[in-house]
Amino acid sequence: IVMTQSPDSLAVSLGERATINCKSSQSVLYSSNNKNNLAWYQQRPGQPPKLLIYWASTRESGVPDRFSGNGSGTDFTLTISSLQAEDVAVYYCQQYHSSPPYSFGQGTKLEIK
Amino acid sequence: EVQLVESGGGLVQPGGSLRLSCAGSGFTFGSFAISWVRQAPGKGLEWVSGISSSGGNTYYADSVKGRSTISRDNSKNTLFLQINSLRAEDTAIYYCAKLKGTYSWNWYFDVWGRGTLVTVSS
Repeated sequence: IVMTQSPDSLAVSLGERATINCKSSQSVLYSSNNKNNLAWYQQRPGQPPKLLIYWASTRESGVPDRFSGNGSGTDFTLTISSLQAEDVAVYYCQQYHSSPPYSFGQGTKLEIK
Repeated sequence: EVQLVESGGGLVQPGGSLRLSCAGSGFTFGSFAISWVRQAPGKGLEWVSGISSSGGNTYYADSVKGRSTISRDNSKNTLFLQINSLRAEDTAIYYCAKLKGTYSWNWYFDVWGRGTLVTVSS
């Protein structure tokens, strides 16, 4: 499964909304439980990736509620409702639809405008 | 605290070999599948290899298949990745990451190590 993110980079003003898109080459909806096997990670400079969202829309414990995930099947979005300075990072989507190989999107670099 | 700590990286000549280790703590290591994910300098994340909780099932990316072996020693809470015939394009930070759940592969990575840097250069 190929994961494609858009845009590759994004500059948003503090307090404004940021939206990142992720498209999979085939559906990642698991019919047996009606869950989308799609996660979002945040990677700040010099840090390992950090889990933000799983099952496409469930926030990991401790993740601020300004982060939200949406979508189903092949099209997904990560939205930051009000950008904060600490949100500057690269964001990756990842599918875990079946046994490996897993695949990540190419990443979206988010900066402050 | 749930933790993964990688080690074993370093400078290796092209054609050489390296064995990476990942030590887990704070959780029942032998209950979870774990993967290696790498990141070349300035590039994105690339899943490399995964192993089931018991070690009985292993998977590899095409980029390392045939020259890598993933293994684990659950008695020592440690994961390994042996890479042979190293190439310049294997230069990357190698992270280990555990799956959140058990009994299937349909789980996301909930815990990541800080990574170990492998540099392949003459």
